[in-house]
Amino acid sequence: AQSVAQPEDQVNVAEGNPLTVKCTYSVSGNPYLFWYVQYPNRGLQFLLKYITGDNLVKGSYGFEAEFNKSQTSFHLKKPSALVSDSALYFCAANPYNTDKLIFGTGTRLQVFP
Amino acid sequence: KAGVTQTPRYLIKTRGQQVTLSCSPISGHRSVSWYQQTPGQGLQFLFEYFSETQRNKGNFPGRFSGRQFSNSRSEMNVSTLELGDSALYLCASIGTEMNTEAFFGQGTRLTVV
Repeated sequence: AQSVAQPEDQVNVAEGNPLTVKCTYSVSGNPYLFWYVQYPNRGLQFLLKYITGDNLVKGSYGFEAEFNKSQTSFHLKKPSALVSDSALYFCAANPYNTDKLIFGTGTRLQVFP
Repeated sequence: KAGVTQTPRYLIKTRGQQVTLSCSPISGHRSVSWYQQTPGQGLQFLFEYFSETQRNKGNFPGRFSGRQFSNSRSEMNVSTLELGDSALYLCASIGTEMNTEAFFGQGTRLTVV
């Protein structure tokens, strides 16, 4: 079965420090990869995507993600965390020729002042 | 342009009842997908509609059904509600451009009592 894994339920980081939220995928072919963020009682907001090309993609709010095909990973990063980045982050894969998204279980990011 | 609109935002229903949720995608978007979000199961794909046709269906019982109208608006229906159907139901729409991301509505919070 195709799946996306986010191994950490929660990531804690101090404001101003770099952050990484991990994601690996097991999806056949060359899926499109996405990161979404969810704030309490809200829908999902798009952060960034990898389709093809450069392995480092930049997105909204200073976030970036590094794609590694050999490790089938797509880790979310930010050089300097803000308290306002505290939220639930989802990694998702979009198999070829479908609009269906396969989501990871989510990682709660907590940024402490 | 207006985002994805889901109505109602909140619903409380009794076991055994049925419920209909509505989603209006972004104008011009071709595809509508539905997801169920629960604390235990995370984000699970329900179904995907494109041009009034169901293209993909997730692993949910037949009590869950949906449809898409000619104006791309979509509805999902859950019959014979169970307590376990309590969840946040999210709708996503995808545009006609290649390699585009899904845009999510704020969701409908369904509580079954």
